[in-house]
Amino acid sequence: DQQVKQNSPSLSVQEGRISILNCDYTNSMFDYFLWYKKYPAEGPTFLISISSIKDKNEDGRFTVFLNKSAKHLSLHIVPSQPGDSAVYFCAARPPYRGSTLGRLYFGRGTQLTVWP
Amino acid sequence: DVKVTQSSRYLVKRTGEKVFLECVQDMDHENMFWYRQDPGLGLRLIYFSYDVKMKEKGDIPEGYSVSREKKERFSLILESASTNQTSMYLCASSLNRPGQGAYGYTFGSGTRLTVV
Repeated sequence: DQQVKQNSPSLSVQEGRISILNCDYTNSMFDYFLWYKKYPAEGPTFLISISSIKDKNEDGRFTVFLNKSAKHLSLHIVPSQPGDSAVYFCAARPPYRGSTLGRLYFGRGTQLTVWP
Repeated sequence: DVKVTQSSRYLVKRTGEKVFLECVQDMDHENMFWYRQDPGLGLRLIYFSYDVKMKEKGDIPEGYSVSREKKERFSLILESASTNQTSMYLCASSLNRPGQGAYGYTFGSGTRLTVV
């Protein structure tokens, strides 16, 4: 049973425009949310995170929005660049407790393609 | 530069072979994880460990085992490799101290395993 869902397997955006990647979760106990970016033949790398006590976090061109009542978060990339083309994984973390310490739950990923 | 190092980038093994995938981290992280990534299925957790000699089953442990004899090293073992274990294998590590896990995991570069 997937606790973190990315319902769009792919997204195609023109360079310079906004990319919006969406993520939904079912477990209201999650207290931290993260986005990872993955290029082919490489491991995922951390992009941006947000605590459940906030509704927005911004880092340069990347902004993550959290809507706790809807159990929804989104990643905005403005402006999009061809180098942003990658798979983006949404992840969520339950509170630190027992053997779940630090475990992340991942969505299935969204392939973003930014074309010139 | 902190790192998670996976011993092989590419590996080809025959059906029935016993396969060892090695992962080493130099960040003194308590937690270590093994995932596999398959198209359309995202990142699926095989096993994880939150301390030396401790292990926990993830979501798809069948056909795999793990070993963690030292804090920095986490090995994934395919007892008898099968073609359906052809995949990208990703190792990751993280802290398990609350308040310091904002960045979640650090991933290795991955091992592309092909079982023929």
